[in-house]
Amino acid sequence: SQQGEEDPQALSIQEGENATMNCSYKTSINNLQWYRQNSGRGLVHLILIRSNEREKHSGRLRVTLDTSKKSSSLLITASRAADTASYFCATDSYTGNQFYFGTGTSLTVIP
Amino acid sequence: DTGVSQNPRHKITKRGQNVTFRCDPISEHNRLYWYRQTLGQGPEFLTYFQNEAQLEKSRLLSDRFSAERPKGSFSTLEIQRTEQGDSAMYLCASRRQGGNYGYTFGSGTRLTVV
Repeated sequence: SQQGEEDPQALSIQEGENATMNCSYKTSINNLQWYRQNSGRGLVHLILIRSNEREKHSGRLRVTLDTSKKSSSLLITASRAADTASYFCATDSYTGNQFYFGTGTSLTVIP
Repeated sequence: DTGVSQNPRHKITKRGQNVTFRCDPISEHNRLYWYRQTLGQGPEFLTYFQNEAQLEKSRLLSDRFSAERPKGSFSTLEIQRTEQGDSAMYLCASRRQGGNYGYTFGSGTRLTVV
C-alpha cells in the first residue's frame, strides 16, 4: 500500500510545548503533504513538500522529508489549544493525480 | 474563492434507499475528488475527475456507487441500495492541475444508514 502511516497515533502536550508527528511511507513519491482536521470537519491543507526538498517552514510549522528513509515529520512549535486536531500526511500516487492518507495523529493541546 | 461546498451536511437514510450528495468545487480548480472517511481513519480515495472526465476509480467504488461531473463544474455522488457499511463521512476536494498544489476540502457529508 502507498498509504502513509503516522506516529504516534495520539499525542497530548501542554500549551507552549512543541509537538512532533512522524509519517512513514512505502513507495517513491513526488510530493508529500500534511493536513489538519478538526473534529467533524473537512481537512485543511497545511504544507506540501516536494521530493527534492528536505525542509520547509510555514509559520509555526516545520516539515522535514527524508526520502532515503521514506519518512517525514511535522513539528508544531509553541503549541496552542487551537492546534488540537488530527493531523494526516498524504503521499501521492504513482500517477501523481491523487493522494493517499494515513490514519492520522490525534493531537491534544492542554491549556 | 468561496471554498468547496458540499450538500447536505448530514443525511440519515434507511437501508436500501438511494442517496445523492452534491459538491461544488472552487471554480478555478479543474480537478475534483471524492473521498470516504470512517471514524478514526484517514480519508480513502474513491474517484477523481479532471474537468468532466472521470479518470480514476478506486476498487472501493462498488457498482452501487456512481459519480458524475456533467459540465466540469459541480459533481454528484450517488449511492444506490445503501447498506449500513456505507455510513461514513463523504469528502469532496478540488485542486488545480499540476503536482505542486494541495487539495481544498469541503466540510463533508455525514451519511448514517439505519
